[in-house]
Amino acid sequence: AQTVTQSQPEMSVQEAETVTLSCTYDTSESDYYLFWYKQPPSRQMILVIRQEAYKQQNATENRFSVNFQKAAKSFSLKISDSQLGDAAMYFCAYTQGGSEKLVFGKGTKLTVNP
Amino acid sequence: DTGVSQDPRHKITKRGQNVTFRCDPISEHNRLYWYRQTLGQGPEFLTYFQNEAQLEKSRLLSDRFSAERPKGSFSTLEIQRTEQGDSAMYLCASSLIETLETQYFGPGTRLLVL
Repeated sequence: AQTVTQSQPEMSVQEAETVTLSCTYDTSESDYYLFWYKQPPSRQMILVIRQEAYKQQNATENRFSVNFQKAAKSFSLKISDSQLGDAAMYFCAYTQGGSEKLVFGKGTKLTVNP
Repeated sequence: DTGVSQDPRHKITKRGQNVTFRCDPISEHNRLYWYRQTLGQGPEFLTYFQNEAQLEKSRLLSDRFSAERPKGSFSTLEIQRTEQGDSAMYLCASSLIETLETQYFGPGTRLLVL
């Protein structure tokens, strides 16, 4: 079965500090895409960052970057210079190339302390 | 360019009643997805459409659930004879094949079955 594991149900970080959220996944496919989505309280899910599995270079989007370790099937998210607005549930997800459905982890609740 | 919209945002119903939700995808997006999210969990895939064709249905989608996407534009998700276990957030997402699988989510419809 295709699975995504987020081992940290909750994390906290001080404003302006850096935090890393962990994610591992299990797939036998070679062509797939990985995503981090953010879901603020009572607000809709928005895309934070994406990574194509065939690319060796780690994706970055401003303060957000990933550490993609394909052999280890690991896809962690680093948030630098954390801001109060970063507080949210963060979901790791993947989808196979040419498809269809996103498979999500259970999420990590991030709290940013002022 | 407006985002994905869903209607209604909230629905309270009594057990045994039928409910219908609507999703309007981003204009020109040819793929549309339905997910269900229960409290403390990541979204789970229900079904998806490519244009008007329903291409995959999850085992989660019992025969009480039906989805349509007439003319390949908006979609409806109907739940017949609702049960308390149907209480959840129902999320819709859309994507464009050419944008390499990135799905954009709507705000969701929160269903409470009493």
